Amino acid sequence: GNSVTQMEGPVTLSEEAFLTINCTYTATGYPSLFWYVQYPGEGLQLLLKATKADDKGSNKGFEATYRKETTSFHLEKGSVQVSDSAVYFCAQSDKLIFGTGTRLQVFP
Amino acid sequence: DSGVTQTPKHLITATGQRVTLRCSPRSGDLSVYWYQQSLDQGLQFLIQYYNGEERAKGNILERFSAQQFPDLHSELNLSSLELGDSALYFCASSVVSGSISYNEQFFGPGTRLTVL
Repeated sequence: GNSVTQMEGPVTLSEEAFLTINCTYTATGYPSLFWYVQYPGEGLQLLLKATKADDKGSNKGFEATYRKETTSFHLEKGSVQVSDSAVYFCAQSDKLIFGTGTRLQVFP
Repeated sequence: DSGVTQTPKHLITATGQRVTLRCSPRSGDLSVYWYQQSLDQGLQFLIQYYNGEERAKGNILERFSAQQFPDLHSELNLSSLELGDSALYFCASSVVSGSISYNEQFFGPGTRLTVL
């Protein structure tokens, strides 16, 4: 069946470190892929999206590339900040499936 | 601010009771989605309505029901509440474009339900 699998957290990094959060999916078709972020006490916000293979979504220094051959959509950021501390959800539009979320903690 | 509003913000009730959660989508959005977020289950899609009609169903219990009204606001009804229903309930809305696969959602701040 359709699914989204994210790496388990928490991910703990020092400020300015490189971030990768892995996400893979299974789907019957070619869904759109999303990364959402949830800051403490808030609802989810769309961080970036990609609607077809090889598309790269980017926002606020975060990037993710839709890789059909590896069915992946890994989130990356070159230099994280304390303010990036949040929970990150990978999602696909087919069957509206979200990953379990990955908590990122960035320390100064 | 996403433009999606949810009321109430917090709800405390007892087992066996029934509650109604309310959601107003962003202006112009025809689709409303309900999600349950709990510590052990993560974010679970419950149900989607589009322009007043049920569009998709996820892991929604039979004790739960929802509807979308002509003014596009939506209500999620939870009945015969159990301790395990304690969770954050999110509403989201979207403009469903011609391509169903493009489905960016805007989330409300959530309603925290505590069942004692």
